Amino acid sequence: DQQVKQNSPSLRVQEGRISILNCDYTNSMFDYFLWYKKYPAEGPTFLISISSIKDKNEDGRFTVFLNKSAKHLSLHIVPSQPGDSAVYFCAASGHTGNQFYFGTGTSLTVIP
Amino acid sequence: SAVISQKPSRDICQRGTSLTIQCQVDSQVTMMFWYRQQPGQSLTLIATANQGSEATYESGFVIDKFPISRPNLTFSTLTVSNMSPEDSSIYLCSAAGGLNTEAFFGQGTRLTVV
Repeated sequence: DQQVKQNSPSLRVQEGRISILNCDYTNSMFDYFLWYKKYPAEGPTFLISISSIKDKNEDGRFTVFLNKSAKHLSLHIVPSQPGDSAVYFCAASGHTGNQFYFGTGTSLTVIP
Repeated sequence: SAVISQKPSRDICQRGTSLTIQCQVDSQVTMMFWYRQQPGQSLTLIATANQGSEATYESGFVIDKFPISRPNLTFSTLTVSNMSPEDSSIYLCSAAGGLNTEAFFGQGTRLTVV
């Protein structure tokens, strides 16, 4: 049973525009959410996180939004750059442990 | 942040054999985890490696198939036992400093079973 879902397997965005990656979860016990970026042949790299006590967290070009009532989070990248092209995974964990449950990933391509 | 080294980075193994993957963290960490990423799929948690006690396995994963060791706060191993082609996957080690902190990943071990 997939507790974290990314329904868009791929996304193509023009350089300089906004990239919006979406993620939904089903487990209401999740209270910590993260986004990871993964290049081929490398492990995932941590990008940004958000606790359930917040609804927004911003770090440079990256902003994560959390809508707890909808069990939905999104990652905004503004402006998008070709180097952002990678697979993005969202992940969630609950307060009972630090096990992370990952979505299926969204492959972002930023077109120069 | 933690730097995680995994080895081997890749291997091709015969069915029926076993492979042990090593994970070394450059600092002491509270939590270590093992994940699997099968082709075209997400990262799936195999188990939490507990220091000084047996690993905690997720549903669908058992100790006989994936024995895990964690002798100290910086090192863990995962063994994939009695391998079959279905075990072909990327195996990833991860470490976290505590609750509600980000986890860091090794570069992964790409395993092909023939």
